[in-house]
Amino acid sequence: DADVTQTPRNRITKTGKRIMLECSQTKGHDRMYWYRQDPGLGLQLIYYSFDVKDINKGEISDGYSVSRQAQAKFSLSLESAIPNQTALYFCATKGTGGDEQFFGPGTRLTVL
Amino acid sequence: RKEVEQDPGPFNVPEGATVAFNCTYSNSASQSFFWYRQDCRKEPKLLMSVYSSGNEDGRFTAQLNRASQYISLLIRDSKLSDSATYLCVVNMGYNFNKFYFGSGTKLNVKP
Repeated sequence: DADVTQTPRNRITKTGKRIMLECSQTKGHDRMYWYRQDPGLGLQLIYYSFDVKDINKGEISDGYSVSRQAQAKFSLSLESAIPNQTALYFCATKGTGGDEQFFGPGTRLTVL
Repeated sequence: RKEVEQDPGPFNVPEGATVAFNCTYSNSASQSFFWYRQDCRKEPKLLMSVYSSGNEDGRFTAQLNRASQYISLLIRDSKLSDSATYLCVVNMGYNFNKFYFGSGTKLNVKP
């Protein structure tokens, strides 16, 4: 079984709709991250969390919100989706002692 | 200015060739450095960490030059399976738990 899972894997929605992307991990890591990736661009950090209830804004947090209610789960919400939020979204985790980030398989989101 | 910059490529090389990628970073206080590999819009996976003394893992060698603020990746004896996008990643930010990604360098290894 995958250590970091994301649901849904693909989603098509309409402008103005509220969307939630879920991330779960079984690695026991305390640090979790949400990134978006656009064609030709690197991953951009949206939000990150060091522990339950700890939330920090990344480079491009406008239009997004997150929730970390449990160590293993980190949810990303788009309150009112817009077309330029069409992208590939990745969740990642990192343990306290290590340097490596472990990524989920990604969610491909299309906003029409 | 981007925090981490890479040549997007593509680098088109024949099997068996040696190819090198460079990456520059803007923050001299950066703490840790990595090369990740990403296949065809799948999730990135760690290829290797980059240490001040340089490190080697089989056909792959990574170097760090703190004075000039760049990182390099050398791939020797390229294989078809090396075709991918290589992401340069730098760790900075509060508690050094914030990662900045370059846009990636695409490598195509051809028979």
